[in-house]
Amino acid sequence: EVQLVESGGGLAQPGGSLRLSCTASGFTFSNYEMNWVRQTPGQGLEWVSNISISGSITLYADSVKGRFTISRDNAKKSLFLQMNSLRAEDTAVYYCASGRYCTHDKCNNAAYFQKWGQGTLVIVSS
Amino acid sequence: DIQMTQSPSTLSASVGDRVSITCRASQSTRNWLAWYQQKPGKAPKLLIYQASSLEIGVPSRFSGSGSGTEFTLTISSLQPDDFATYYCQQYNGYPWTFGQGTKVEIK
Repeated sequence: EVQLVESGGGLAQPGGSLRLSCTASGFTFSNYEMNWVRQTPGQGLEWVSNISISGSITLYADSVKGRFTISRDNAKKSLFLQMNSLRAEDTAVYYCASGRYCTHDKCNNAAYFQKWGQGTLVIVSS
Repeated sequence: DIQMTQSPSTLSASVGDRVSITCRASQSTRNWLAWYQQKPGKAPKLLIYQASSLEIGVPSRFSGSGSGTEFTLTISSLQPDDFATYYCQQYNGYPWTFGQGTKVEIK
């Protein structure tokens, strides 16, 4: 069974930091680009960040660029999001989600989010 | 950024109804468009990818159509399990963006 399990959410103060983790099972994690997607209360979905299968290429939404860092550990089938300089507007449920399937240096065009975790809630408040 | 606009925002319908949701993009996304279903407290679930391809395990009453800037998700005969919020998402270019969602409610 495919599973993505997030952890690390909680309450943080404005300007503070949190580190989210996502552990994968049931599929070949190292062959998939991975993403973080967030959903703010009462609002829609926002893609946050993407990482290549090797971890060498990372992409960020403008809203988090320079503050958040995505990383992965393929040996541990884990994805991470280091969130620094947190703001109230970062309050959201954060989901990890699979992206494109890749082998060696080629990826398919399937940049939709097929596999999702259950989400972890981040609240930024004083 | 490519802006995705869904209509309507809310749709009231009855079991057995045929319903359609429209998603318009601010510029062409070719056919790189996905649809998701989300129920309260749950993660989104992929229904359709590449505008019209049905994800494995998704009932055939769901279908997708369109290309370029206008796309449609159709549920041919609404079932009780289908009352949820639906989102479109373009993956033609970064940043990937979602529509604001369409809530399908019981009439």
